[in-house]
Amino acid sequence: QSVLTQPPSASETPGLRVTISCSGSSSNIGSNTVSWYQQLPGTAPRLLMYSDDQRPSGVPDRFSGSKSGTSASLAISGLQSEDEADYYCAAWDDSLNGYVFGTGTKVTAL
Amino acid sequence: QEQLVESGGGVAQPGKSLRLSCVASGFGFRSFAMHWVRQAPGKGLEWVAVIWYAGTNRFYADSVKGRFTISRDDSKNTLFLEMNSLRVEDTAMYYCVRDKGIWGQGTMVTVSS
Repeated sequence: QSVLTQPPSASETPGLRVTISCSGSSSNIGSNTVSWYQQLPGTAPRLLMYSDDQRPSGVPDRFSGSKSGTSASLAISGLQSEDEADYYCAAWDDSLNGYVFGTGTKVTAL
Repeated sequence: QEQLVESGGGVAQPGKSLRLSCVASGFGFRSFAMHWVRQAPGKGLEWVAVIWYAGTNRFYADSVKGRFTISRDDSKNTLFLEMNSLRVEDTAMYYCVRDKGIWGQGTMVTVSS
């Protein structure tokens, strides 16, 4: 089972801001960096954010990441219909000696 | 461009074996840690295994420990996943992933009698 907890869904009106939370513990988020992945319907996931708040080239700057203590967040400003996807957080877990994914959040543009 | 292409998936009976491959191109494969991640139909992402650059270390999810083996051939820019003693619950799309980077398109593994 996942050790990183995310809300199952999040929705917002296009053009507004939506935030997704990711709750972990001292052995994962509390001591390692967080990555975020976007999975559009029917496609493979892609890296959206790494090292808590770094965007790979090609990721729009309306996506931003942050971390505080044992929790992390992904914000999408100016939500667009093309942002409708599943989003997953992830981090290395020192206790498990393994990489752990969040439960996933489905984002919908109303 | 940077690319990962998986192969080797298919249908296998419980208890049997499969070997997945992932060929990398467009980047310095030997410099990166590489992962296998899987996704059961309609489910979330599950990390399977990682191998550090030069194969210096390997780690596995508890669900596959002792059954799966991750390896790499840097001379051929290829990542492998040897899957033994397959179970029905191993049915999933298997993705090859560069550490903090690109994902392949996946190869489907179905375990069924």
